[in-house]
Amino acid sequence: DVKVTQSSRYLVKRTGEKVFLECVQDMDHENMFWYRQDPGLGLRLIYFSYDVKMKEKGDIPEGYSVSREKKERFSLILESASTNQTSMYLCASSSPLSGGLYNEQFFGPGTRLTVL
Amino acid sequence: GQNIDQPTEMTATEGAIVQINCTYQTSGFNGLFWYQQHAGEAPTFLSYNVLDGLEEKGRFSSFLSRSKGYSYLLLKELQMKDSASYLCAVGPGFQKLVFGTGTRLLVSP
Repeated sequence: DVKVTQSSRYLVKRTGEKVFLECVQDMDHENMFWYRQDPGLGLRLIYFSYDVKMKEKGDIPEGYSVSREKKERFSLILESASTNQTSMYLCASSSPLSGGLYNEQFFGPGTRLTVL
Repeated sequence: GQNIDQPTEMTATEGAIVQINCTYQTSGFNGLFWYQQHAGEAPTFLSYNVLDGLEEKGRFSSFLSRSKGYSYLLLKELQMKDSASYLCAVGPGFQKLVFGTGTRLLVSP
C-alpha cells in the first residue's frame, strides 16, 4: 500500500516565522503535490512537482515555496508565516499513466497549521 | 478558467440511494475523479471516469457525460459510515487535479 506521511499533524507558529512542512512517500511516485483545504473553498493546489528538482506553481503559490531534493520527499516552505495561512495542508503523490491519463493521487493525513 | 460545481450538503436515510452531481468547465479534460473524505481525515480515492458511461464498484457507481460536462456519484444501500464529504475533481492535464468544494453527505438512521 502507498503510504504518504507528513511531519506533523498539528503545528502552531507565530506570524513572521519560517515554517517547513515535510511530506514523504514510499512508492517511488514521480508526482507530488501540496494543497491547502479551507471550509467553503475546497482543496486548492499550491505547488506540484513532476520529478526531483522540478516544481510548478499551482493555483495559489503566493507566500509559499517548495523543495524537492529527493524523489520521495517534497517540502512546503512558508517564508514568513501570516495569519491567512492558517489552514489544513495536504500532501499527495501519484504516478502518471502513459498517454497522459491519470492515476489516482494518494493523500497524507494532513497538517493543521495555526499561525498566531 | 476552471469551474467545478457540486451541492454543498445533502441528507439521506440509512438504506436509501443518493446521487451527488458534479458539473465542470475546465480548459482541458483527462478524466474525472471522486474522492471520499471523512471529517479530520485525508481524501481517499473512490472512482475515475475518462470515458462516457457508468462505472460500478460495489455500492458506489460513477457516471460521466463529457459532452454535458457532467458527472454523478451514486451511493446505494447507504450506511452510517457513508457520512462524509465527497469531492469531485477534474484532471485538466499535466497530472494536476482541480477540485470542487465538496458535498457533505449526512446519513441518518
